[in-house]
Parts: sequence; structure tokens; C-alpha cells
Amino acid sequence: NAGVTQTPKFQVLKTGQSMTLQCAQDMNHEYMSWYRQDPGMGLRLIHYSVGAGITDQGEVPNGYNVSRSTTEDFPLRLLSAAPSQTSVYFCASSTEMRNTEAFFGQGTRLTVV
Amino acid sequence: DAKTTQPPSMDCAEGRAANLPCNHSTISGNEYVYWYRQIHSQGPQYIIHGLKNNETNEMASLIITEDRKSSTLILPHATLRDTAVYYCIVSPVFQGGSEKLVFGKGTKLTVNP
Repeated sequence: NAGVTQTPKFQVLKTGQSMTLQCAQDMNHEYMSWYRQDPGMGLRLIHYSVGAGITDQGEVPNGYNVSRSTTEDFPLRLLSAAPSQTSVYFCASSTEMRNTEAFFGQGTRLTVV
Repeated sequence: DAKTTQPPSMDCAEGRAANLPCNHSTISGNEYVYWYRQIHSQGPQYIIHGLKNNETNEMASLIITEDRKSSTLILPHATLRDTAVYYCIVSPVFQGGSEKLVFGKGTKLTVNP
């Protein structure tokens, strides 16, 4: 059982480039989320989804787009990367049942130069 | 903003109990207390959660005060592998799952040989 899989693990982008961070889960979870973590900080919510076709903004959504066409996948798109988006990105999934745990991927370390 | 306050760091001797405090004085009646940990920049890992009763699982125990304004996570026999950042999170009961967790800076626990 793979759980939550994020690709790539590492990425270097130039300012202005675009890219998509991939997240896939094989647990049939309805809920999926993207967080970023900056040095010395806790995780901050970027976007989340409560099911296919449904997404919503979190605390720090600017500069990021998401879509949810399937239950399994929740890609995060950076349309025009900026140095301020240098961070570690974590994807998480959880069931729609109340008071359950979230499962996190191993993260994508992104550097924008 | 995180609704919890935790000490930034703690030390514990290997084999001893680690007691990690968390203050959540503004917690409301419909909010659970969750604990996650993050080992060396890996994805966060769920530990335990509770509403008002003490809880125990194979990883840890959670003690919540009667007024629910604070809690303590107990690792009964800490090992070197328990060295991590521990996050205490409050999350509303009515929220469907764990798709919108609010992380603070957590407590960096160092287990010493």
C-alpha cells in the first residue's frame, strides 16, 4: 500500500517557469490537501479538496492553482514560479469521516532561483 | 493562527517518559486535540487525538485536563527515533475530516542517549 505519493522529490526552477507538483493516493480518500513548510515553521495550508471537482483555498493560495479531476490525484500548479515559493511542499489525504487522521506524503523540496 | 501554545524545545533521556505540554486555553466544546509529529523534515505522522477523555494507543497517551484548556502527550519510553517536532492541533468536530489542519511551530523533542 503506497499511501500518499508525491513527485518529484526535488526540483529547481528558474523564476517565471511553470511546473506541476504531483500527488496521488491509493486509499480512496475523499479529502486531499496541499501544505507548504518554510524553514523553522509549521505547515501552512495552500489548497484543499473535499472530493473530485471540488477545491477551495487555504491560508496561502496565491500563486498556486489546483484541480481535482479524480479521487486519486490532486496536482498543484505553479504558473509562474517566484523565489518566495521556495519551500517544502506536502500533500495529505484523509477520509470524509469525522475526526480521522491525515496521511502525508514525503514532500517535494522546491527551490526557485 | 494556531490556537495552541507549545514550548519550542524539550530534551528527554532515552528510556524515560517524554511529557510534551500543550496549551489550548481558547478551545471550544466542539474541538478535538490532535497530535502529529515530523521526523527530520519527513511528512507529518499522526500520533493520537482526543476530545475530553484520556486516550492511549500503541504510540502514546494523551492526557486532557478537565477544563480542556491544556493537554499532555506522553511517550512512555522515549527512544532516539522519537526525536522529532511534535505538533499539537485543535480541530473542530463538525469539520468533515482532517483536510484543514492548522499547524503551529511545535515542540522540538530531542531524545538523548
